[in-house]
Amino acid sequence: EAGVAQSPRYKIIEKRQSVAFWCNPISGHATLYWYQQILGQGPKLLIQFQNNGVVDDSQLPKDRFSAERLKGVDSTLKIQPAKLEDSAVYLCASSLYGLTEAFFGQGTRLTVV
Amino acid sequence: QQQVKQSPQSLIVQKGGISIINCAYENTAFDYFPWYQQFPGKGPALLIAIRPDVSEKKEGRFTISFNKSAKQFSLHIMDSQPGDSATYFCAAHSGNTPLVFGKGTRLSVIA
Repeated sequence: EAGVAQSPRYKIIEKRQSVAFWCNPISGHATLYWYQQILGQGPKLLIQFQNNGVVDDSQLPKDRFSAERLKGVDSTLKIQPAKLEDSAVYLCASSLYGLTEAFFGQGTRLTVV
Repeated sequence: QQQVKQSPQSLIVQKGGISIINCAYENTAFDYFPWYQQFPGKGPALLIAIRPDVSEKKEGRFTISFNKSAKQFSLHIMDSQPGDSATYFCAAHSGNTPLVFGKGTRLSVIA
């Protein structure tokens, strides 16, 4: 079974630039999550999708972050404009339904300079 | 508001020793308590999980102890090996709400 795929693995951008991350969940997984993991901390949920609908985006900074999962499969997370404090690893995870077991991708390490 | 508090922040254990990591939670609605293991450059991977209807779950060298009345749960790694060196996260969730993670414990197992 293929795991959660994310790209790119690394990205360095200047502040105020924009960036996009892509995630392809495990086949058949209805639930998809984007987490932000700042160095030395645990992952923090940004947004949760159930199929192509948003379940929870309460911690997503909507003035600069956006995410979509148009066809209920893969997803993109965008930051525009980026700030220095957005430097983190962005993790995508998926689960079959609900959250009994979430499988994580390797993440995208973003550095904003 | 930190809903899951994890300690210690870092831990050094001799090879063959027992590693113990503790977590405490606040939300009594939580009904699923997983532990994740994360190696550098990798995403977290589920290690072991427990539901509050049991007080202990063991899988190989890894054991979760759960104390519902104290709202605490812990991970025990028996016969710790250098390959266990990683960051461990406890987490919790209820229903369809997302996982809430602790801040992590960096474990180093030295020979």
